[in-house]
Amino acid sequence: GAGVSQSPSNKVTEKGKDVELRCDPISGHTALYWYRQSLGQGLEFLIYFQGNSAPDKSGLPSDRFSAERTGGSVSTLTIQRTQQEDSAVYLCASSAPGQGSYEQYFGPGTRLTVT
Amino acid sequence: GNSVTQMEGPVTLSEEAFLTINCTYTATGYPSLFWYVQYPGEGLQLLLKATKADDKGSNKGFEATYRKETTSFHLEKGSVQVSDSAVYFCALRPTGGYNKLIFGAGTRLAVHP
Repeated sequence: GAGVSQSPSNKVTEKGKDVELRCDPISGHTALYWYRQSLGQGLEFLIYFQGNSAPDKSGLPSDRFSAERTGGSVSTLTIQRTQQEDSAVYLCASSAPGQGSYEQYFGPGTRLTVT
Repeated sequence: GNSVTQMEGPVTLSEEAFLTINCTYTATGYPSLFWYVQYPGEGLQLLLKATKADDKGSNKGFEATYRKETTSFHLEKGSVQVSDSAVYFCALRPTGGYNKLIFGAGTRLAVHP
């Protein structure tokens, strides 16, 4: 079946602009995660959605970062007033808690470059 | 807090050599442990996992044993292939922490014919 998809695959933006990154989880997966992979920081957790519960935003690095998940499916990560240190690969993952596995399935990522 | 430390790369091996990538962790309670692999140009894939002490995860010839006494989860393979060239990430899911994975920095493996 279809895996986690993300768009765009690459995004180049100028410093100060806003960007939106999209994630389509695996159908039926109730949990959705965003991570960031950067050279200096490795793989960092950003935010987690589970069903209708309040999201865990503990990993968001600043208030310029926000995310929403509409209808319990697609998620959008928004970065406002982008900075060069935001350049990274943004990874989305989904999982199906309650089925005993909690395995997270990752998308291919969006490579963000802030110039 | 929770953290994962893995050996720095790159690790360069000849085909059919023995591979060990060290991973140690710091966590309270009984985390679940994972190895993920990222092949060139591809996304992260789960390679193997172990959910309790002394469990051995295995897949594609790779193995790792959950050692609580040494807080380690070292990845091993008896005979590597060129196709194993990738970046390997050790990760933990904290006890009761369904909501995130804590990753190590990753270890790049290059296997030459």
